[in-house]
Amino acid sequence: DVKVTQSSRYLVKRTGEKVFLECVQDMDHENMFWYRQDPGLGLRLIYFSYDVKMKEKGDIPEGYSVSREKKERFSLILESASTNQTSMYLCASRAQGIYYEQYFGPGTRLTVT
Amino acid sequence: DAKTTQPPSMDCAEGRAANLPCNHSTISGNEYVYWYRQIHSQGPQYIIHGLKNNETNEMASLIITEDRKSSTLILPHATLRDTAVYYCIVRYNYGQNFVFGPGTRLSVLP
Repeated sequence: DVKVTQSSRYLVKRTGEKVFLECVQDMDHENMFWYRQDPGLGLRLIYFSYDVKMKEKGDIPEGYSVSREKKERFSLILESASTNQTSMYLCASRAQGIYYEQYFGPGTRLTVT
Repeated sequence: DAKTTQPPSMDCAEGRAANLPCNHSTISGNEYVYWYRQIHSQGPQYIIHGLKNNETNEMASLIITEDRKSSTLILPHATLRDTAVYYCIVRYNYGQNFVFGPGTRLSVLP
């Protein structure tokens, strides 16, 4: 079974702090994604990566950056956390090729106070 | 990616079949239909996908109309653990992203 893990289920940070959210997948997937989910807005894509050291902006990249130094790990960085970044953050991975479903991690609920 | 329309909520009695509809009238010939679900406070879970033929796996069946403008996800014997938000998504199979709409909140009632 594909497993996507995220470093924390719940996180509380202060405004202005630098925040790292880590995601690891164990299926050698090329593609990895970071979404945020907010009530009434659904899932919105922040960034994705299709290979090591490669990244592409999604729909809402402002205030975020990402890092993919190893194939299995994709990190989301909030350079200076703000209260409007309080949200559920979901990581996903997907293989390149004909089998296209995405596998999601359990999510990290981040609260910025 | 084509837009989908789903009812915001549905109820189903435990042990009965849950039939979740999805309209995708602007779907193009090479777009697939995917279904995911999200149980409260968890990440979305893949259920099934198809192009034009009906599909079945251990979780569910997917029925796609001949004109491909709508589909139905069938959970044959719903249990309380099937209570979740169900998302219908259509996309190119070579696209990078899944776009999740508001979905259908299915409540399975004892």
